[in-house]
Amino acid sequence: GAGVSQTPSNKVTEKGKYVELRCDPISGHTALYWYRQSLGQGPEFLIYFQGTGAADDSGLPNDRFFAVRPEGSVSTLKIQRTERGDSAVYLCASSDGNTGELFFGEGSRLTVL
Amino acid sequence: AQTVTQSQPEMSVQEAETVTLSCTYDTSENNYYLFWYKQPPSRQMILVIRQEAYKQQNATENRFSVNFQKAAKSFSLKISDSQLGDTAMYFCASDPSNTGKLIFGQGTTLQVKP
Repeated sequence: GAGVSQTPSNKVTEKGKYVELRCDPISGHTALYWYRQSLGQGPEFLIYFQGTGAADDSGLPNDRFFAVRPEGSVSTLKIQRTERGDSAVYLCASSDGNTGELFFGEGSRLTVL
Repeated sequence: AQTVTQSQPEMSVQEAETVTLSCTYDTSENNYYLFWYKQPPSRQMILVIRQEAYKQQNATENRFSVNFQKAAKSFSLKISDSQLGDTAMYFCASDPSNTGKLIFGQGTTLQVKP
């Protein structure tokens, strides 16, 4: 597709379960970003990749959160032992690294019951 | 800490009128980017306008323009000839490291009334 694609659009899970959220960036974009947006707030940075490597993961809140981008394209955000406080919209964005513009997907809304 | 502050949680404007959304930021960097993003109910963040801090000229994109005051660390967005489709949440953001690691404000909900 032409834009950033995120799946699933919505995910409801129970406390303690494991969750994976997927991001398919714009083809050719080398940089990929994950942000978390709690209800009524602005997005907060989690992690970003340049190619396959995590260039900055300083926004990951704790070791339950992990992200990978094994082939430098699709990325997966993984959350272990989910907690109710993890409920949020998880936004993915990609960039070609030249213009500075980030292109966002529509996000994955995670609800932890 | 580097922060972005939007002091107007909600704004409304009549269709065809002009509205200004406020934003202040704090950074110790000298060269950085500033952005305004629009987020409709679809959740997708859409770039409205971008300003490079080393450029003195205010950025303009059609009906959207900014008033960038570097010394005051202020970056307001003016929307002229407001349209119903402008109804959305608007976020101000800074990129102090020029890496795409954005710092967002809390957002301003804008409603354009017919």
